Amino acid sequence: EAGVVQSPRYKIIEKKQPVAFWCNPISGHNTLYWYRQNLGQGPELLIRYENEEAVDDSQLPKDRFSAERLKGVDSTLKIQPAELGDSAVYLCASSTNRDGNSPLHFGNGTRLTVT
Amino acid sequence: GQQVMQIPQYQHVQEGEDFTTYCNSSTTLSNIQWYKQRPGGHPVFLIQLVKSGEVKKQKRLTFQFGEAKKNSSLHITATQTTDVGTYFCAGSRSNDYKLSFGAGTTVTVRA
Repeated sequence: EAGVVQSPRYKIIEKKQPVAFWCNPISGHNTLYWYRQNLGQGPELLIRYENEEAVDDSQLPKDRFSAERLKGVDSTLKIQPAELGDSAVYLCASSTNRDGNSPLHFGNGTRLTVT
Repeated sequence: GQQVMQIPQYQHVQEGEDFTTYCNSSTTLSNIQWYKQRPGGHPVFLIQLVKSGEVKKQKRLTFQFGEAKKNSSLHITATQTTDVGTYFCAGSRSNDYKLSFGAGTTVTVRA
């Protein structure tokens, strides 16, 4: 099966600019996650979707971050405006169900550098 | 913040030796998962433990879930250069579906 696809792979922007990341999960995976991974740390959950519904966005900085999954398949994560501290790898993952007991399949991530 | 803590943060191992990395939670977990992330790569699922005291093996890797379901360990025997990477544990509690990752143990191997 095809894996989780993310684009772009790398992105360099200046602070205060907007940026968007795209994710296509594994076919049939209803649950989609966006994680942020800082250097030397584990992934931290930003938002979790069940189909098109955001069921956990408690750790999403809503003043500048937004996400959508309009048709319950692809998803985009947007930052506007970006800050220096947003530099990190943004990982998308998908799984087959929502009970926290299913393995996560990660994409290659988008490495964001804010200058 | 992180619900699970991993120790050590770094593990430098001589090729052929064994080592163990540990994962500890302050709360009871419904399950724990282990992932491996190679340098420059993304986390890849290794295994899931669900039952109290469960032990699972994958070739030279042995995973254990504690009796109280608050800790887990990964033991690697006869370390090889292919074992290089960062090993993450991730756990979820029974009352929510959120999978929280530890900070990882980064393994380097001396040939």
